[in-house]
Amino acid sequence: EVQILETGGGLVKPGGSLRLSCATSGFNFNDYFMNWVRQAPGKGLEWVAQIRNKNYNYATYYAESLEGRVTISRDDSKSSVYLQVSSLRAEDTAIYYCTRSPWGAFDYWGQGVMVTVSS
Amino acid sequence: DIQMTQSPASLSASLGETVTIECLASEDIYSNLAWYQQKPGKSPQLLIYDASSLQDGVPSRFSGSESGTQYSLEINSLQSEDAATYFCQQHHDYPWTFGGGTKLELK
Repeated sequence: EVQILETGGGLVKPGGSLRLSCATSGFNFNDYFMNWVRQAPGKGLEWVAQIRNKNYNYATYYAESLEGRVTISRDDSKSSVYLQVSSLRAEDTAIYYCTRSPWGAFDYWGQGVMVTVSS
Repeated sequence: DIQMTQSPASLSASLGETVTIECLASEDIYSNLAWYQQKPGKSPQLLIYDASSLQDGVPSRFSGSESGTQYSLEINSLQSEDAATYFCQQHHDYPWTFGGGTKLELK
């Protein structure tokens, strides 16, 4: 059974940083691209970042709205993916989902982790 | 960036009816489109990928189609459990983008 579990959310002050973690199991992690997608309260979905697998040289892609403030990484030995976000702003307040991509679509999602940016 | 214009923003329908949700891409996305269903307090779930392929485990009353840059999600024989918000998403070009969502209410 595919399992995806995000951790590391919480309350952060504006200008602060946060590292989200996503632990996975139940599938061959090395075969998949991994992503972060976020959803502000009561709003729609926003793709944040993607990291491809070793076959694609771990290429990374980012949403323009966060580029320069966010870094996605993965540890294949731990079947985990991470998102480092810095210079946090109120508009970064959202549920952050970790998702799996065989290629394009997100076929499995974690339950999400809440990040609140507030003083 | 590729813009995905989704319509309607909301709709209300009765059990057993058929509804259609549409997404218009701002440029050709070559069928690189997915549809998701999200229920309140839950994570989104993949329904359709590559514009018209049904994800495993998804009921056959859900179907996807395309005409040019217009993509459609049709739900036949509406069931109570279909009340949810639906999103389209293009994965043709980065940054990947979502439609604004359609909230489906059952009468």
